[in-house]
Amino acid sequence: GEDVEQSLFLSVREGDSSVINCTYTDSSSTYLYWYKQEPGAGLQLLTYIFSNMDMKQDQRLTVLLNKKDKHLSLRIADTQTGDSAIYFCAENVNDYKLSFGAGTTVTVRA
Amino acid sequence: NAGVTQTPKFRVLKTGQSMTLLCAQDMNHEYMYWYRQDPGMGLRLIHYSVGEGTTAKGEVPDGYNVSRLKKQNFLLGLESAAPSQTSVYFCASSYGTFQAHYGYTFGSGTRLTVV
Repeated sequence: GEDVEQSLFLSVREGDSSVINCTYTDSSSTYLYWYKQEPGAGLQLLTYIFSNMDMKQDQRLTVLLNKKDKHLSLRIADTQTGDSAIYFCAENVNDYKLSFGAGTTVTVRA
Repeated sequence: NAGVTQTPKFRVLKTGQSMTLLCAQDMNHEYMYWYRQDPGMGLRLIHYSVGEGTTAKGEVPDGYNVSRLKKQNFLLGLESAAPSQTSVYFCASSYGTFQAHYGYTFGSGTRLTVV
């Protein structure tokens, strides 16, 4: 199957950490990705994790991968107003195709 | 370095009209894709191409046609537009299999309304 699921909305206070969760179904996925979409713009690759890794850290971003549960999460430390966007989880289902979740709208409040 | 450029950015069509959306990339990517984005449904793949002269159907190909005559361009056609095709259309490109960690590069989208 090619179902990627994520919650639709997240509200977080400025300065707090945000955690966005995602579940996927294809255990053979090699890479899993997080994309960010700002209003009126296309999707931008934020980070990715290779399937043999459990964790990847990149400045304020931490990606955790639990292959047993097929669970992926993105943690944003010290969330800022510029982090308000839609975040998409994606898995590569085969050599050429990515399957995307519906996107989580993150709203950062002062 | 422009990346992926989509034209037009906005368009309003009447039911039954036709149009072509153009996507151009300057990164020498092999693979190109057309997605549509609808609220609460994420991105759904319409058609894709794994190289010049090739095209293939994605999840929701009905009502659309594509062509990839040149490696850098991928055209999406609507022969007879329907209100159900009101959406935001995104083009994307990628290197392909062995550089999958680069992910996709997306254009900024075309907002199409069919009335």
